[in-house]
Amino acid sequence: GESVGLHLPTLSVQEGDNSIINCAYSNSASDYFIWYKQESGKGPQFIIDIRSNMDKRQGQRVTVLLNKTVKHLSLQIAATQPGDSAVYFCAEKRVDSSYKLIFGSGTRLLVRP
Amino acid sequence: NAGVTQTPKFRILKIGQSMTLQCTQDMNHNYMYWYRQDPGMGLKLIYYSVGAGITDKGEVPNGYNVSRSTTEDFPLRLELAAPSQTSVYFCASSYAGGGHRSTDTQYFGPGTRLTVL
Repeated sequence: GESVGLHLPTLSVQEGDNSIINCAYSNSASDYFIWYKQESGKGPQFIIDIRSNMDKRQGQRVTVLLNKTVKHLSLQIAATQPGDSAVYFCAEKRVDSSYKLIFGSGTRLLVRP
Repeated sequence: NAGVTQTPKFRILKIGQSMTLQCTQDMNHNYMYWYRQDPGMGLKLIYYSVGAGITDKGEVPNGYNVSRSTTEDFPLRLELAAPSQTSVYFCASSYAGGGHRSTDTQYFGPGTRLTVL
């Protein structure tokens, strides 16, 4: 079925390195994508979003890239810090829905000191 | 703003008991949502509401009920708790549906961890 999923369930990086978390989606009729960060015992926290008319969007230390040709979304974190350790979810909103987000199963990012 | 608040943080229920999970938001958002998150999994939508007095089912509504009497509050009711309802429950809100404030971004509460034994 149609879904938003992630390639790697766990990603381990050295502190200071850049991290790249990937997400594949299967529905080309999606117009909005979000990355959430979820720390242990907490609710998902909004990180960055991107609309389908864009290829790239930058925030503070984070960049989201959208490749509509291959239906791929990635989150890049520059100079990864211990506080970045969390589970990261991508979510997709379909153009025919004004509200519904479809969430992937998440990637755990572990930052080694 | 406090954002989205949920109570209680933790709860243990016996099979067949009932309870209400509370959710309140102070951002004047029109849309509110209830999700459940099972271990190692993503979020699944239980119910949502597009405004006071309006609710609708999500992906996994069985065993739950909701009401939306005010813009701020969106309680989730479990009538006959079952072990399959052991999960972490998240409430979220957004300003969606068009207009200059519409963002599609959902903001989440801290969650309620429920165990049914």
